[in-house]
Amino acid sequence: SQQGEEDPQALSIQEGENATMNCSYKTSINNLQWYRQNSGRGLVHLILIRSNEREKHSGRLRVTLDTSKKSSSLLITASRAADTASYFCATNDYKLSFGAGTTVTVRA
Amino acid sequence: GAVVSQHPSWVICKSGTSVKIECRSLDFQATTMFWYRQFPKQSLMLMATSNEGSKATYEQGVEKDKFLINHASLTLSTLTVTSAHPEDSSFYICSAMQGAGSGNTIYFGEGSWLTVV
Repeated sequence: SQQGEEDPQALSIQEGENATMNCSYKTSINNLQWYRQNSGRGLVHLILIRSNEREKHSGRLRVTLDTSKKSSSLLITASRAADTASYFCATNDYKLSFGAGTTVTVRA
Repeated sequence: GAVVSQHPSWVICKSGTSVKIECRSLDFQATTMFWYRQFPKQSLMLMATSNEGSKATYEQGVEKDKFLINHASLTLSTLTVTSAHPEDSSFYICSAMQGAGSGNTIYFGEGSWLTVV
């Protein structure tokens, strides 16, 4: 069953703006991972946040985790056209369960 | 970062034939690999968990006799779609877990487009 569910389903922003997307899950987790998928390609691992962490940064990416609300957010700052992709969160209770993803379009 | 190679990237086969897709972890050993299927504009659906040296664990609704999985070494898992039909046309993605147990990063291959004509 799907564990991670992303919101919004689609997001369109101007280059340079920030993009924020959220992920909710249902059961307890060990960690949560965010991935990017360009159309027709495989998934690229972006960041892993463990259940005892609240925030993590990687370059222009900022991920938060609120285990009490069973939710996570991914913020992409100063977006670029190359950030256009679908973004998925997945929880790792040994095997990943994916949501439907958020499709981000960055307009030049 | 770790690299997972998937081959072929795309394949066209005739209905009724079988096709094999390979998934290799290039710079790490993967005790566990996963196979997913993805339809256009949809999420990844886990098909099976492939464990080195043992039988794969299939998700509910996935026919194990149709989707044969072999994980003969710590760096290679194969998915064979047997007696393929047009409805099997899809994007198949494998992933490999670096290290054992939960809590480890899982890396994905680039995926394989299968078209059955």
